[in-house]
Amino acid sequence: NAGVTQTPKFQVLKTGQSMTLQCAQDMNHNSMYWYRQDPGMGLRLIYYSASEGTTDKGEVPNGYNVSRLNKREFSLRLESAAPSQTSVYFCASTWGSNQPQHFGDGTRLSIL
Amino acid sequence: GDSVTQMEGPVTLSEEAFLTINCTYTATGYPSLFWYVQYPGEGLQLLLKATKADDKGSNKGFEATYRKETTSFHLEKGSVQVSDSAVYFCALSDRTDSWGKLQFGAGTQVVVTP
Repeated sequence: NAGVTQTPKFQVLKTGQSMTLQCAQDMNHNSMYWYRQDPGMGLRLIYYSASEGTTDKGEVPNGYNVSRLNKREFSLRLESAAPSQTSVYFCASTWGSNQPQHFGDGTRLSIL
Repeated sequence: GDSVTQMEGPVTLSEEAFLTINCTYTATGYPSLFWYVQYPGEGLQLLLKATKADDKGSNKGFEATYRKETTSFHLEKGSVQVSDSAVYFCALSDRTDSWGKLQFGAGTQVVVTP
């Protein structure tokens, strides 16, 4: 009963490097989300996907791209990492409006 | 736009003390309200929810009542345990948002000492 699985759990990058954070859910949810969590700021939405093949920007999309590969998988890509992107990244999924979101355990990303 | 305001932490309590975490919101419609809990090193877990005015959500001894007149959803627990040490997030979902997006408060860290 995996729920939402994120990989990797930890990553250290140098400024300018690129990487992709992976997320997969096994609950047949329609909507998926990427958040970043920074001290004192709660969770801020980066991108979301209401269904397979659709994506939309959230509150802080600059510097990120996403792909909804299929109904299960939703990846987040940093093309050219910057120190300001040091954060904990969470993926979440849900059936839809007014339903609770289910979260992965997060990816802790440090950019030097 | 919609927003959620929580009391700042950390909140430090002794075991068996009463816990209250204040949460107020602004929303244009009639949102659903949630409390999530985050234990160290983990993701967020749904603690409880309420979908309409005067609803009371409850789980694991925690309670919160949806108060439309005061736009509040305060979290309470009558007797906390060390295992309740965590960060608590209040969140809302606008019913008019078809995509289920959540607006989170900044989170309140709770530390319970033996």
